[in-house]
Amino acid sequence: AQTVTQSQPEMSVQEAETVTLSCTYDTSESDYYLFWYKQPPSRQMILVIRQEAYKQQNATENRFSVNFQKAAKSFSLKISDSQLGDAAMYFCAYRSAQGAQKLVFGQGTRLTINP
Amino acid sequence: EAQVTQNPRYLITVTGKKLTVTCSQNMNHEYMSWYRQDPGLGLRQIYYSMNVEVTDKGDVPEGYKVSRKEKRNFPLILESPSPNQTSLYFCASSQGALEWETQYFGPGTRLLVL
Repeated sequence: AQTVTQSQPEMSVQEAETVTLSCTYDTSESDYYLFWYKQPPSRQMILVIRQEAYKQQNATENRFSVNFQKAAKSFSLKISDSQLGDAAMYFCAYRSAQGAQKLVFGQGTRLTINP
Repeated sequence: EAQVTQNPRYLITVTGKKLTVTCSQNMNHEYMSWYRQDPGLGLRQIYYSMNVEVTDKGDVPEGYKVSRKEKRNFPLILESPSPNQTSLYFCASSQGALEWETQYFGPGTRLLVL
């Protein structure tokens, strides 16, 4: 079974600075998808960014980018120019490309933005 | 507005009293799923449905039931709730079940079982 690990329960960063959230995963599959979800205090789950494992190029979405290291099974999220609205719980998630119908989530990292 | 709705948003109940959490989506999505979120564990899948009348167990199905009689609705049923089912519940949907498809989450239902 696949597992996802986020080793940083909490992180903090100064407003306008850059922060990187770590995520590692364990799988024997070669084809899969990885996601970062943001959960603000409202508890809504919001998709931040998605990466296809077959793509070597790292995904980017405005101030959000990933560092996808397939061999190392690492999928970190970089937030540039941090804003107060980025404060939230961030979840890394894995989805198999082989018929599995679920997202496997990490434990989450709580990000605080200091003004 | 495209959305997934859940009701109720908050619920306090007692052990053994049957309850239903409703989930509805207005995007004509085929795939729907229920997750529970517990501190330190992230979200874990309870049940999912590929389409009307097609449901299957996720990782933690014990104590839960679901049904999918209509495409838009996917209620979660707790026949006899217990305190260990106290949790934050999310319903999610996507156009299909393909791995690359984005799942849209509802706002969550916080359940406390006394």
